[in-house]
Amino acid sequence: NAGVTQTPKFQVLKTGQSMTLQCAQDMNHEYMSWYRQDPGMGLRLIHYSVGAGITDQGEVPNGYNVSRSTTEDFPLRLLSAAPSQTSVYFCASSSSGGASGEQYFGPGTRLTVT
Amino acid sequence: KQEVTQIPAALSVPEGENLVLNCSFTDSAIYNLQWFRQDPGKGLTSLLLIQSSQREQTSGRLNASLDKSSGRSTLYIAASQPGDSATYLCAFFSGGYNKLIFGAGTRLAVHP
Repeated sequence: NAGVTQTPKFQVLKTGQSMTLQCAQDMNHEYMSWYRQDPGMGLRLIHYSVGAGITDQGEVPNGYNVSRSTTEDFPLRLLSAAPSQTSVYFCASSSSGGASGEQYFGPGTRLTVT
Repeated sequence: KQEVTQIPAALSVPEGENLVLNCSFTDSAIYNLQWFRQDPGKGLTSLLLIQSSQREQTSGRLNASLDKSSGRSTLYIAASQPGDSATYLCAFFSGGYNKLIFGAGTRLAVHP
């Protein structure tokens, strides 16, 4: 099993550009989520999904969109990049709807917005 | 508001010492608590998961305990090694908010 994979590993965007961060898992997990990690702020939930076709907002959803058309994939879209979105982004997945399952994290995408 | 506090924020010890990292949380309705390790510039690696009905879990030199009534968890590292140097994060899964809530982490340095 590859576990949770994320692409790209690094990305530099100009303000106003859009892009999609890819996340995939091969563990047949229903629950997937996106976090951002910033110095002094810890990890904060952006969006999550409890299954294909079902998504919901976390605590910092503004400026980001998600969709879940398959169990395996959960892409995160930046609509119009802003310097405040410079961060490290982690995707995670879990079995058991997230509530009792162990959370597995991907290696992260380091995004810089200039 | 749910909060997770990790003490100490940083720790530097000589190799071979036994360590205790502390995590306290304010939400008693947790589903589970998970300890992670994060190396600089890397992702999070799951170390131990304790379900709300359990009191402890062990993996090799690591032992994690959970006391829901007092809102505390501890991670015990036996016979520390330089390879244990990393940031250790605890997080609990809040059923009410369907998300992991993280502490700020303890940065551990084990020197030879």
